[in-house]
Amino acid sequence: DAKTTQPTSMDCAEGRAANLPCNHSTISGNEYVYWYRQIHSQGPQYIIHGLKNNETNEMASLIITEDRKSSTLILPHATLRDTAVYYCIVRAVAGFQKLVFGTGTRLLVSP
Amino acid sequence: ETGVTQTPRHLVMGMTNKKSLKCEQHLGHNAMYWYKQSAKKPLELMFVYNFKEQTENNSVPSRFSPECPNSSHLFLHLHTLQPEDSALYLCASSQAAGGTGELFFGEGSRLTVL
Repeated sequence: DAKTTQPTSMDCAEGRAANLPCNHSTISGNEYVYWYRQIHSQGPQYIIHGLKNNETNEMASLIITEDRKSSTLILPHATLRDTAVYYCIVRAVAGFQKLVFGTGTRLLVSP
Repeated sequence: ETGVTQTPRHLVMGMTNKKSLKCEQHLGHNAMYWYKQSAKKPLELMFVYNFKEQTENNSVPSRFSPECPNSSHLFLHLHTLQPEDSALYLCASSQAAGGTGELFFGEGSRLTVL
């Protein structure tokens, strides 16, 4: 699986959009970009994933650059409950899947 | 509620004890995973089971012994652990093939080894 690079930490004001970047310059054509988050002392939670088109669900939007070498997770209106570690993971979807987690981005949403 | 339940949520054990962690999923998945999360370290994949068969052992010491009697249940048997084994142990499940590739995690079992 391709390696990803994320900033160690980010801050965001409550109610503002949180834009979390991820670099995955070695991504292969069959690899998807997945985002998970982990709120303190809980299990990771799936947020969204995509291949090359932008994706949106009730939690967030995922913007993938045309060359697929980077992506941005957007939380449109961050709340205090969005404070968590956000993980960007790249992997192929074939057969059963193991996730390899990096260190992620620690997002702190403040009032 | 993710559909993956782990028990106990907290466990304190001595180095000579034998205990087990249990994971149960109600999602109809066929793949199950154990991850370990030590303080200030990334999650580490320990074991993977696919249709009850172990398909990955990520160089885990033998004092950790997994068991997967069926696709809905996964155990992690613990014996003669060391204090450095204190961590949050997370169970996850997913569809074995196809689907979105999404993993569903339990809340974890926090283990303290004295």
